[in-house]
Amino acid sequence: DVKVTQSSRYLVKRTGEKVFLECVQDMDHENMFWYRQDPGLGLRLIYFSYDVKMKEKGDIPEGYSVSREKKERFSLILESASTNQTSMYLCASSLSGPRGSNQPQHFGDGTRLSIL
Amino acid sequence: AQTVTQSQPEMSVQEAETVTLSCTYDTSENNYYLFWYKQPPSRQMILVIRQEAYKQQNATENRFSVNFQKAAKSFSLKISDSQLGDTAMYFCAFMKHEGYSTLTFGKGTMLLVSP
Repeated sequence: DVKVTQSSRYLVKRTGEKVFLECVQDMDHENMFWYRQDPGLGLRLIYFSYDVKMKEKGDIPEGYSVSREKKERFSLILESASTNQTSMYLCASSLSGPRGSNQPQHFGDGTRLSIL
Repeated sequence: AQTVTQSQPEMSVQEAETVTLSCTYDTSENNYYLFWYKQPPSRQMILVIRQEAYKQQNATENRFSVNFQKAAKSFSLKISDSQLGDTAMYFCAFMKHEGYSTLTFGKGTMLLVSP
């Protein structure tokens, strides 16, 4: 089975701190994604990466950056944390299928981040 | 851009009964995938069922089945013989068939199964 591991289940940080959320997958997937989940809003895509050192903005990239130095690891960075970034953060990964055959995403357990 | 709408924020059903969760979507794509994901309380998001738009046959996975109406852009999930373990948030999601494999999610439906 695919294993997507997020480094922290719960995290509490202070306003203005630089925050790193780490995600590791063990199935050699090319694609990795970061979402935030808020009540009543569903999941919204922050950033994704389709290869090492490659990144693309999602729907809500403001205030975030990402890093993918190795294929198995995708980091989400809050450059200067603010209270409106308090949320559940979900990491996912997927395999790049043959052309014309996108594959389902597999999710980690999520990190519940509180910014005080 | 794609949009996914789940019009039922909450639903409830009794054990052993059948429940249907609604999902509609909007897209200009002709070929795509649709998914239902389940997120139990405080637990991992897992894939329930997947439908490819070019397949007319509705997908089925054990007690879970879909009613896919491409012309109406509708993709409902039917859960038969509901179990307490089906209590979860259910998300409908859209993915293009080609290109970046990003998901567009609906806002979710919270399903509560009671004894």
